[in-house]
Amino acid sequence: SQQGEEDPQALSIQEGENATMNCSYKTSINNLQWYRQNSGRGLVHLILIRSNEREKHSGRLRVTLDTSKKSSSLLITASRAADTASYFCATVPSGAGSYQLTFGKGTKLSVIP
Amino acid sequence: DTEVTQTPKHLVMGMTNKKSLKCEQHMGHRAMYWYKQKAKKPPELMFVYSYEKLSINESVPSRFSPECPNSSLLNLHLHALQPEDSALYLCASSQAGRSYEQYFGPGTRLTVT
Repeated sequence: SQQGEEDPQALSIQEGENATMNCSYKTSINNLQWYRQNSGRGLVHLILIRSNEREKHSGRLRVTLDTSKKSSSLLITASRAADTASYFCATVPSGAGSYQLTFGKGTKLSVIP
Repeated sequence: DTEVTQTPKHLVMGMTNKKSLKCEQHMGHRAMYWYKQKAKKPPELMFVYSYEKLSINESVPSRFSPECPNSSLLNLHLHALQPEDSALYLCASSQAGRSYEQYFGPGTRLTVT
C-alpha cells in the first residue's frame, strides 16, 4: 500500500531555478527517505531524515520534516538538466516489526536547459 | 563496491515459460528486497529477506517464487505469469534494520506475452 503522497505530481522549471517537492504520509514513522529515479532505471537514495530531525542538507538538497503535520519537503537548489527525474519519498514505520519502505506516488521533475 | 547488479536487463517470456531473475550485491548487506514497478507508478514491495530468511511476503501470487541462496544472491523464479505481470522488477539491498538506505539495482524489464 502507498503511504506517501507527493505534491506536485509533475513540475517543470528552468535550469538554475529551485525545485520544491512535498510529501505527506499517514502513519507514525521512524524515518523518511527521498529517492531519485531516472527514466526506467533503478532508484538512487538521496537523503534520510529521522523522525527526531527537522532539517537535513546534502549538497544542493535540503529536506525538512514536520512530524506534527506528517509532511516532508525536498528542495533542490540551482537545478540542472541532469536533475530531470522522478523523485519519491518513502517512509519506514515506527514501532516493532518490519522496516520496509513504503513509497509515495512520486513527483516527475523536468529541468529545461 | 556499492553496486547491486541484476540480470537479465530485459526478459520476454510466454505465459507457459519458467524463467529466473537474478540479483547480486557484495556490500555485506543482510537485507534484500524485490519490488515490482509498473509504468508511472512507485515501486511496490514484493518480498523481503533478512539474514537469508524470508521475512515479508506482500501477498504475492505463487507464480512468483523468491530464493536467497546466500547472503549475496537473490533470485526470483517466474512461472506461468500473466500479461499484467509485465513490469520493471527491482532488487535492492540494505543493512538490516530501520535506519538504513536501500541500494537499488537497475532492474529487469519483464514483458509477458
